[in-house]
Amino acid sequence: QVQLVQSGDEVKKPGASVKVSCKTSGYTFSSYGISWVRQAPGQGLEWMGWISAYNGNTVYAERLQGRVTMTRDTSTSTAYMEVRSLRSDDTAVYYCARHSGINRTPFDYWGQGTLVTVSS
Amino acid sequence: AIRMTQSPSSLSASTGDRVTITCRASQGVNNYLAWYQQKPGKAPKLLIYAASTLQGGVPSRFSGSGSGTDFTLTISRLQPEDFATYYCQQHYLYPRTFGQGTKVEIK
Repeated sequence: QVQLVQSGDEVKKPGASVKVSCKTSGYTFSSYGISWVRQAPGQGLEWMGWISAYNGNTVYAERLQGRVTMTRDTSTSTAYMEVRSLRSDDTAVYYCARHSGINRTPFDYWGQGTLVTVSS
Repeated sequence: AIRMTQSPSSLSASTGDRVTITCRASQGVNNYLAWYQQKPGKAPKLLIYAASTLQGGVPSRFSGSGSGTDFTLTISRLQPEDFATYYCQQHYLYPRTFGQGTKVEIK
């Protein structure tokens, strides 16, 4: 069965960086992409960006451009998302979600979420 | 970016009620419209995609309709497990924008 398992919760200080992993299984990793979505406490869903597992191409949300980097490791079927220069308003639950970027498919499988807390 | 606007932001309903949530896109999304259900502390769950296609395993009391810029999620007979927050999302263009959510609460 398809599974996306994310790394554990993190606590970071302002200005630091955080890197969250999303290990996938149960499907052909390179046939899909991974989007990252975050949700601040009590707020809605914010799409952050997408990476193609096939060739590593990325599309980032404009407001995060320059502070976020998405990568993948095809040998372990794992996607990564790094946010730099963390601020208090980056405190959120971060989710990875599978979809095909080319075929305009929805996000059919999600990770369990990783809480990133930014606090001095 | 395509802006997605849901209404209402919240609603109160009773078990057995028919519930309708609307979603409007700021431009046409070619019917690439999805609905997700999210319960507290859990990841969103895909219910409907391409405006009206039910995801596998989702109960038939959920249905989606609409075209162009205006879409609707209907729950025909609300069940206790349906109390949650619902989000629409366009899966047509990047950025893949979400509506602000509709919280369905127990009356």
